[in-house]
Amino acid sequence: GAVVSQHPSWVICKSGTSVKIECRSLDFQATTMFWYRQFPKQSLMLMATSNEGSKATYEQGVEKDKFLINHASLTLSTLTVTSAHPEDSSFYICSARTSGSGEQFFGPGTRLTVL
Amino acid sequence: GQSLEQPSEVTAVEGAIVQINCTYQTSGFYGLSWYQQHDGGAPTFLSYNALDGLEETGRFSSFLSRSDSYGYLLLQELQMKDSASYFCAVKENTGFQKLVFGTGTRLLVSP
Repeated sequence: GAVVSQHPSWVICKSGTSVKIECRSLDFQATTMFWYRQFPKQSLMLMATSNEGSKATYEQGVEKDKFLINHASLTLSTLTVTSAHPEDSSFYICSARTSGSGEQFFGPGTRLTVL
Repeated sequence: GQSLEQPSEVTAVEGAIVQINCTYQTSGFYGLSWYQQHDGGAPTFLSYNALDGLEETGRFSSFLSRSDSYGYLLLQELQMKDSASYFCAVKENTGFQKLVFGTGTRLLVSP
């Protein structure tokens, strides 16, 4: 089956620093990738959608200057949390969709803790 | 606006049958998916309904009624490992066909 990886799986950083999270589709080409955020005991909230080679489309209320998304190739998308603050601590999950079946495959998630 | 409502928690015993309901209100509808998520893990795809009716996949079945904007996930022969959170998600038929997730149901299976 289709595999999506994320790196790192967890990260701890100081307030004010930036953190980059990578999402890779390992055995398929992903035209579209999605980034979600999940706070403890809550649902997955879509942050943004990115198509390869295009600017990301952000959901209402998500700051595009704070959460930078780059979808540089058909197998890699990155999310950079700039000037992170403790309230950004969360579980960040990416998913990738094949252009054919349209099914979304989820990565294992990245747990971000901002001190 | 968009909303997908689920019961917050359901408890059951091993071997029992449990039904998790999902009512939705979205701007566009393509289909309804169900995902399982264990604590600290990623969502795992369980089932998908695009048309009305019942889809059966092993111990799990999912039902959809588009006219009622309603669906449910049925879990049979419950096992301890089924303790997890379950999310319904609507696949929108607009734009990127993104998934919008429900509020989630925490299932606790006891011996």
